[in-house]
Amino acid sequence: DVKVTQSSRYLVKRTGEKVFLECVQDMDHENMFWYRQDPGLGLRLIYFSYDVKMKEKGDIPEGYSVSREKKERFSLILESASTNQTSMYLCATRRTTNEKLFFGSGTQLSVL
Amino acid sequence: DQQVKQNSPSLSVQEGRISILNCDYTNSMFDYFLWYKKYPAEGPTFLISISSIKDKNEDGRFTVFLNKSAKHLSLHIVPSQPGDSAVYFCAASAPGAGSYQLTFGKGTKLSVIP
Repeated sequence: DVKVTQSSRYLVKRTGEKVFLECVQDMDHENMFWYRQDPGLGLRLIYFSYDVKMKEKGDIPEGYSVSREKKERFSLILESASTNQTSMYLCATRRTTNEKLFFGSGTQLSVL
Repeated sequence: DQQVKQNSPSLSVQEGRISILNCDYTNSMFDYFLWYKKYPAEGPTFLISISSIKDKNEDGRFTVFLNKSAKHLSLHIVPSQPGDSAVYFCAASAPGAGSYQLTFGKGTKLSVIP
């Protein structure tokens, strides 16, 4: 079974703090994704990476950056957290295109 | 512009009856469709998928139907069980450069009443 591990289940940060969300997968998957889920808005893609050191913007990249230095690890960075970034953050991986995504358990981030 | 639409935010069904969740899409390039199920405070889990070369795919109690001409797909759950109560997301992808991305609908919250 694919295991996608997100470093924290719950996180509380202050406005203006730099926030790191980490995601690690154990299946040598090429593609990794960061989504956020908000009530009534579904899952929205922030960034994705199709290979090591490669990254592409998703639908809502503003206020975020990412890093993929190793194949198994994909980090989401909030440079200066704001209250509108309070959300459930979901990491996902996929072996290649046209295959299903495997999701982590999510990180519920609250920015106060 | 929403390319994948789930027009029913919620659905209530009696245990043992059929649940039908609907999804419409606007991008005619979409050729691969998936359904995910999500419980609160957990990540989505894959349920079932269908490619555009088929019009039906079945897995146990779950069946997905695809009507390409209508740009419509549906998920049928028969019989519905209380454990099926969750949010269901429809997702789609297109071939080519866009195939890196899955586009998700906003979800339908299914409640199965015992």
